[in-house]
Amino acid sequence: DAMVIQNPRYQVTQFGKPVTLSCSQTLNHNVMYWYQQKSSQAPKLLFHYYDKDFNNEADTPDNFQSRRPNTSFCFLDIRSPGLGDAAMYLCATSRAGDRALEAFFGQGTRLTVV
Amino acid sequence: AQTVTQSQPEMSVQEAETVTLSCTYDTSENNYYLFWYKQPPSRQMILVIRQEAYKQQNATENRFSVNFQKAAKSFSLKISDSQLGDTAMYFCAFMKQANQAGTALIFGKGTTLSVSS
Repeated sequence: DAMVIQNPRYQVTQFGKPVTLSCSQTLNHNVMYWYQQKSSQAPKLLFHYYDKDFNNEADTPDNFQSRRPNTSFCFLDIRSPGLGDAAMYLCATSRAGDRALEAFFGQGTRLTVV
Repeated sequence: AQTVTQSQPEMSVQEAETVTLSCTYDTSENNYYLFWYKQPPSRQMILVIRQEAYKQQNATENRFSVNFQKAAKSFSLKISDSQLGDTAMYFCAFMKQANQAGTALIFGKGTTLSVSS
C-alpha cells in the first residue's frame, strides 16, 4: 500500500499559471518535505514542515509556497511557474527523533511548463 | 554547510558481479547519519542502507554493505551478487543528528547503475 501519495503524477502547466501539487501520507509522520529534482541532479530541498512549523531553505525562490492544513496533507504551490521550474517534485515524510530515521518518498510529480 | 559528492555519474555491472559506488561528504558535525537511497526508473526512492556516524561497525543489509571511513569522510556502497532489479539511480545522503528540528536529507548528485545479464 502506498504510504506517501503524490498527485498528480504528471502535471503540465502554462508559463505563469499558478499550479498546486499535492502530497498525502498515511504514516502519521510529523515531518514532511518537498524536494525539487532536475534531470541528472541531486534532489534539492525546498522546504519542510516540522509539525506545523514551516522551515524554508534560504535559496528557495519566493515563487514557491507550501501549505500543510493537517498532518496528512501538504501542498506545494508555484505561483508563477517559469520554464526553469520544470522538474520532478518529490514529497517525503519522516518521524522526527525516530532512530529508524527512514524518510519515505512519494513517486513524485513531474511538472512540465509550456 | 554540508555537501555530498558522488564522483561516478554512471556505472555498469553484470549480473552476479560486485560493484562499489563511491561517496564523499564534508561536514563539521560529529554526530550525523549517512544513507544510500535507491531510485528505480519511474518509481519512488527507497532506503537501501543507513549508517550512524558514532558506530564504527559498517552497516550491512543482505547484499548491500558500506565502507564507512569517518576520518576520510568516505561512505561507499558495495552491492554483491548484483541483480537486474538493482538497476536504478543511487543517491548518497547525509543528515545531521535527527532529533533536531530542521534536519533534512542532503543528497549527492547520484550514480546511475545499470545491471546487465
